[in-house]
Amino acid sequence: NAGVTQTPKFRVLKTGQSMTLLCAQDMNHEYMYWYRQDPGMGLRLIHYSVGEGTTAKGEVPDGYNVSRLKKQNFLLGLESAAPSQTSVYFCASSSLGRRPYEQYFGPGTRLTVT
Amino acid sequence: EDKVVQSPLSLVVHEGDTVTLNCSYEVTNFRSLLWYKQEKKAPTFLFMLTSSGIEKKSGRLSSILDKKELSSILNITATQTGDSAIYLCAVVAGTSGSRLTFGEGTQLTVNP
Repeated sequence: NAGVTQTPKFRVLKTGQSMTLLCAQDMNHEYMYWYRQDPGMGLRLIHYSVGEGTTAKGEVPDGYNVSRLKKQNFLLGLESAAPSQTSVYFCASSSLGRRPYEQYFGPGTRLTVT
Repeated sequence: EDKVVQSPLSLVVHEGDTVTLNCSYEVTNFRSLLWYKQEKKAPTFLFMLTSSGIEKKSGRLSSILDKKELSSILNITATQTGDSAIYLCAVVAGTSGSRLTFGEGTQLTVNP
C-alpha cells in the first residue's frame, strides 16, 4: 500500500497563476482533508470531504477550491495564486470505522508563490 | 471557536534527558486528543486519548490527559537524537465530526 500520495512535491508559481494539487489514497478511506502548514501556526484545515461528491469548508478556505469526484482522490485548486498561499500543503485521510480521528498524512507539497 | 495551545514552542535538550511537552485546549464538547510526530515530512500518529482513557504508553513515550485542567502532556524519557521532531497536538470536538484542530507544535531538538 502506498498510503496517501501527493502530486507534485514542489511547485513555484507566479502571482495570478493557477494550479491543482492531487491527493490519492489507497486505503478506501471515506474522509479526506487538505491542510496548510506555516511556520509557528501548526496545521490549518482548508477543506475536507466526508465522502465521494461531498466537500466542506475548513478553517481557512478562501482562495481555494476542492473536488472529490472519486473516493480515492481529493483535488485542491488555486485559481489565482497569491504570495500568502506560499506554504506546505498536506493531504490526509481517515476511516469511517473504529478510529475515525486517526488521520494518515501524505508527504506534503511545498508551494512557493512569487 | 476551538483553540489548542502548545508549549514550549521549541526545546533543545541533550540525549538522555527527559522532556515534557504541554497541550491545552478550549473546545466545545471535547471528544479526543491526539499526538502526532512530524519529522521531515508527514505527521505520523502517536497516541489518542479520550475521556475514558486518560493515559497511554509506548516505550519511552507516554501521554496523560487531564480532563479537569483541559490539558495533556507528552513525556519522552531517555531522549535520543531520533526523537528530534515537531510534536503536534490535535483535538476533536463535539460538532466537528472527524475534523482535527491542531496546536502550533513543539519543535524538539535532541543533541548528542
